[in-house]
Order: sequence, then C-alpha cells, then structure tokens
Amino acid sequence: GEDVEQSLFLSVREGDSSVINCTYTDSSSTYLYWYKQEPGAGLQLLTYIFSNMDMKQDQRLTVLLNKKDKHLSLRIADTQTGDSAIYFCAESPYSSASKIIFGSGTRLSIRP
Amino acid sequence: DGGITQSPKYLFRKEGQNVTLSCEQNLNHDAMYWYRQDPGQGLRLIYYSQIVNDFQKGDIAEGYSVSREKKESFPLTVTSAQKNPTAFYLCASSPGTVNTEAFFGQGTRLTVV
Repeated sequence: GEDVEQSLFLSVREGDSSVINCTYTDSSSTYLYWYKQEPGAGLQLLTYIFSNMDMKQDQRLTVLLNKKDKHLSLRIADTQTGDSAIYFCAESPYSSASKIIFGSGTRLSIRP
Repeated sequence: DGGITQSPKYLFRKEGQNVTLSCEQNLNHDAMYWYRQDPGQGLRLIYYSQIVNDFQKGDIAEGYSVSREKKESFPLTVTSAQKNPTAFYLCASSPGTVNTEAFFGQGTRLTVV
C-alpha cells in the first residue's frame, strides 16, 4: 500500500542544522516532495527530488534520498526562527497517476 | 498573477446543512485535489480530478461531493452526511500525471455550530 511516515515533532537550537526524516512505501514513486506549512496557511513547495537522484541542494536546503531504504530527509542548515513550521514529506506513486500521498507532517520548533 | 484561490477563508455551518467550498486556479493545471487537515493527522485526500468532467474518490470521500465542469474550478460540497465536518480544507492543483508538484490554496476553515 501507499504510506508516508514522519515523526511529529522536532526541536532545534537557532543556528543549528535541522534534519527531518521521512519513510515511504511505494518504490515506484517518481517524485518526492517537501512542503512547508505556516500557521493557518496552505502548503508551500520547498523542494523536490526526482527518484533517480541521491541528493539535491538548494541554498540552505539539502534533500537526501536513499531508494534502497525508501528514506528521504530534509536538512535545513543554519536554522532560523522563520523556519518554524510544519514540514510535509510527499510522494507521487507511479501506480496512482496524479495522486499525491502526504505524511502527517513534522512540526519544527526553534529554541533560542 | 497565477495561483489558486480558495474561498471563503472561514465558514460556519449549522448541523444538517450542506455547504460548498470554492476552489479556482488560473495555472492551466489539469489535476486538482481536495484535502482535509485535522490536527496531528496530516492531509487526507477527499477527491481528486485529473481532467475536466472526471474525478475520483480519495481516502475519505464519504459525506463529500465534487464537480469539475471547468478546468479552472473544482468546488467541494460538504453534505449533511459528513458527521464530523469541522476541519481545515485545502485545495491544490498540479500540472498533470508525471510531475505532480502541487500548488495549494490558503485553505478554508469550516466550523459546525
């Protein structure tokens, strides 16, 4: 079946790196995504990785994909207070064209 | 500016009433989606549509209905059959079947009073 799992909470000190982890079940997924949701708002696409890539870097964001273990991670370098939000991992299974499966989201909080 | 617009932002419904949530996009996207978000449960798919005049049930379609008469519009009706409708509803659209990068509206918070 299709499932995406994430831990619910993460707390980091301002200036440290944050690493948010995600596991997924459908090995046919073509694209894997990270979305950010601020309070009371919709989701904003942060970055995505194509399934034939291992790593993608975009400024402070680094995405790592381990296809063998079906594990995806998002690293935020030099975490700032503005990074406080809920981060969602999502996959797009090839077997379910157009369907996007979201994880439950990880709430990132920043300590001074 | 291209984007996806949901209205209203807040909606109150009396028990036993049907309500319709609006979702409009001018991104020329083929696919559109409705998700429900409850605290600590992430997003659950209600309905999605890959093309005009066609839509499929998601994981929690009971008590909801949709239509896709125009490419840019995908309204969601929350019927009286939905027993626990209070939630945050998110509409999204994506280009198509391969790249499903989704663009989200700002959401509608529905409260049953």
